Amino acid sequence: QKEVEQNSGPLSVPEGAIASLNCTYSDRVSQSFFWYRQYSGKSPELIMSIYSNGDKEDGRFTAQLNKASQYVSLLIRDSQPSDSATYLCAVKKRSSNTGKLIFGQGTTLQVKP
Amino acid sequence: NAGVTQTPKFQVLKTGQSMTLQCAQDMNHNSMYWYRQDPGMGLRLIYYSASEGTTDKGEVPNGYNVSRLNKREFSLRLESAAPSQTSVYFCASSVAGEVYEQYFGPGTRLTVT
Repeated sequence: QKEVEQNSGPLSVPEGAIASLNCTYSDRVSQSFFWYRQYSGKSPELIMSIYSNGDKEDGRFTAQLNKASQYVSLLIRDSQPSDSATYLCAVKKRSSNTGKLIFGQGTTLQVKP
Repeated sequence: NAGVTQTPKFQVLKTGQSMTLQCAQDMNHNSMYWYRQDPGMGLRLIYYSASEGTTDKGEVPNGYNVSRLNKREFSLRLESAAPSQTSVYFCASSVAGEVYEQYFGPGTRLTVT
């Protein structure tokens, strides 16, 4: 079982719709969770971080964390073609006293005009 | 404020050649990381440096060495390049403490023939 799992997609949504990206993790004591966006040929760019159960909103993006279910998601409201990219989920274990993150393989999102 | 910078952007090596990838950050971050990204494999940690003067192995360290030259700079050396080291290499940095948000450089695309 991979430590951080994401559906590779592609996830295709029409412009203006809500895109829902999901990530599950295996280590129950994981502490911190991050979503990165990566455009083709570019480097990962941090979108959101979340540390506590519940929702965290930033503009059109909402991160949701459920530690009991070991599940973190990213919702993108009013999806735009410019949101088409690969979204990486990353997890930091509580047991790690360094900044080491475990990355999922990413979900490719396609927003169709 | 340039963030994380990497040189070179592209490099082609012959098998057995050596080279050093350079990384620098101007965000006063304590921790720095080297990743490689391959299709279908996601981001894999090669080496990291939790703080100036310390380095440690990540998931795929074989064939690589690192030097944390000072707080700003963290280099990755390939002593004898192999075709299996063809990849995109990313450097990242983060603060130390409870928040471990990592910020990535633009990457180096390396081809070993």
